[in-house]
Amino acid sequence: AQTVTQSQPEMSVQEAETVTLSCTYDTSESDYYLFWYKQPPSRQMILVIRQEAYKQQNATENRFSVNFQKAAKSFSLKISDSQLGDAAMYFCAYHSGGSNYKLTFGKGTLLTVNP
Amino acid sequence: DAGVIQSPRHEVTEMGQEVTLRCKPISGHNSLFWYRQTMMRGLELLIYFNNNVPIDDSGMPEDRFSAKMPNASFSTLKIQPSEPRDSAVYFCASSPHGRAPFGYTFGSGTRLTVV
Repeated sequence: AQTVTQSQPEMSVQEAETVTLSCTYDTSESDYYLFWYKQPPSRQMILVIRQEAYKQQNATENRFSVNFQKAAKSFSLKISDSQLGDAAMYFCAYHSGGSNYKLTFGKGTLLTVNP
Repeated sequence: DAGVIQSPRHEVTEMGQEVTLRCKPISGHNSLFWYRQTMMRGLELLIYFNNNVPIDDSGMPEDRFSAKMPNASFSTLKIQPSEPRDSAVYFCASSPHGRAPFGYTFGSGTRLTVV
């Protein structure tokens, strides 16, 4: 079974600075997708960014980018120019590229943004 | 598109009472998921429906939990009788098909408190 590990329960960053959240995963599959979800205090789960395992190029969405290291099974999220609205719980998630429908989540990293 | 709609947003009930959580998926999405979020266990998949049919209910914790999807636009998760350890946030999510390379769309969740 796939597992997703987020080793940083909490992180903090100064406004306008850059922060990187770590995620590692364990799988024997070659075809899969990885995601970062944001959960602000409103509780809504918001998709931040996705990465296909077959793509070598790292995904980027505005201030959010990933460092995908397939061989190391690492998938970190970099937030540049951090804003107060970025404060939230961030979850890394894995989805098989095959017929498995399950989205497996890590335990999350609570990000605090200091003004 | 109104997104995935869950109700109620909050539910407080006494131990032993029946609780019903409701979900309306995004129109056109034929896959529906119920997740439970707790501090101790994180986000866990409870049950997965495809085309209104339960495909995998192995995550349902025990017989007190049941879920139905009578049509493509409505699903319920019922707990009877409820217990304090059922207190959690319950999310409903939907996707266009069983495979979700673009991730799932989550509702805002129902926070259940059993006293």
